[in-house]
Amino acid sequence: AQTVTQSQPEMSVQEAETVTLSCTYDTSESDYYLFWYKQPPSRQMILVIRQEAYKQQNATENRFSVNFQKAAKSFSLKISDSQLGDAAMYFCAYRSPRGSQGNLIFGKGTKLSVKP
Amino acid sequence: KAGVTQTPRYLIKTRGQQVTLSCSPISGHRSVSWYQQTPGQGLQFLFEYFSETQRNKGNFPGRFSGRQFSNSRSEMNVSTLELGDSALYLCASSPGTAHEQYFGPGTRLTVT
Repeated sequence: AQTVTQSQPEMSVQEAETVTLSCTYDTSESDYYLFWYKQPPSRQMILVIRQEAYKQQNATENRFSVNFQKAAKSFSLKISDSQLGDAAMYFCAYRSPRGSQGNLIFGKGTKLSVKP
Repeated sequence: KAGVTQTPRYLIKTRGQQVTLSCSPISGHRSVSWYQQTPGQGLQFLFEYFSETQRNKGNFPGRFSGRQFSNSRSEMNVSTLELGDSALYLCASSPGTAHEQYFGPGTRLTVT
């Protein structure tokens, strides 16, 4: 069974600085999808970024980028120029391409605080 | 497009009662998944429906059930509520398996 591990329960960053959130996963599949989701205190889960395992190029969405290391099964999220609105719980998630197992498998999350 | 909507947003029930939660996916999305979120267990997968068929099921007791209608709207039902069922229940929709899931705001269920 696949597992996702986020080893940093809490992180803090100064506004305008850069922070990296860590995520590792375990799977025997060669093709899969990885995601980072953000859940602000208002609770709505928002998709931040997506990575397909077959793509070597790291995904980027504005200030958010990932460092995808397939061999190491590592998928970290870098937030550049941190803003107060980035404060939230961040969840790393894995999804199998198989229809019968297409649910998201989440890590426990990292609570990110942004200091003004 | 309108996002995923869930009703009701808040619910208070008594042990032993049953509850039905509703989810309307993004227009055109045929897959609907349900997750339970608690501080202790985190986000746990309940089940997924695709074109009215349950395609995938998590490790929850039979008290938890769901269904999907022809318009892709989905409901989940929890019978004989227990205190431990208190949680945030999240619904997510997706065009298909190879796509990301989009979440609704959740239903906060409190069992007293």
